[in-house]
Amino acid sequence: QKEVEQDPGPLSVPEGAIVSLNCTYSNSAFQYFMWYRQYSRKGPELLMYTYSSGNKEDGRFTAQVDKSSKYISLFIRDSQPSDSATYLCAMEDGGATNKLIFGTGTLLAVQP
Amino acid sequence: DTAVSQTPKYLVTQMGNDKSIKCEQNLGHDTMYWYKQDSKKFLKIMFSYNNKELIINETVPNRFSPKSPDKAHLNLHINSLELGDSAVYFCASSRENTGELFFGEGSRLTVL
Repeated sequence: QKEVEQDPGPLSVPEGAIVSLNCTYSNSAFQYFMWYRQYSRKGPELLMYTYSSGNKEDGRFTAQVDKSSKYISLFIRDSQPSDSATYLCAMEDGGATNKLIFGTGTLLAVQP
Repeated sequence: DTAVSQTPKYLVTQMGNDKSIKCEQNLGHDTMYWYKQDSKKFLKIMFSYNNKELIINETVPNRFSPKSPDKAHLNLHINSLELGDSAVYFCASSRENTGELFFGEGSRLTVL
């Protein structure tokens, strides 16, 4: 079993839909949780960064962490065609090595 | 002005050859990384350096040798290339002890 599990999709939604992307993990030592967005043929870029459990909102994006269930989510409101990309969750235990463990990524397509 | 730049972007070579990928960051970060992304988009850390010192070495074959001449540069040399080495290699950097990684655009290696 991988440390971080993520449904690879693809996920196709109409423009304006609310998108929910999820990851589960097995290592209870993870404390920092991130979502990266990767456009085709580009490097990943950080979208959201959260510490421990709770919600964090940034514009149309909301990141949610439930440490008791070992489950994290990214919600995208009013999705746009420009949101079409692969979304990768990542997490780390906050140790000295700063080692991120990534999910396999979910490919999202927002149809105009 | 590119923050993390890596060269070459594309590399096509024969099995058994030796090749290098170069990476430079102008963000003033202390930590640099090499990640490998396979055909299924799975992103896995290979190495990390902090101020030219090797921090993470993730059970990578010793055909892969990173080298950090200074904290702004991290190069990757690969000896005796194999078919399984075909992937996209991403360089990244971060401030010390943060999971906010800044990625380059990737170097797509194809071994024939």
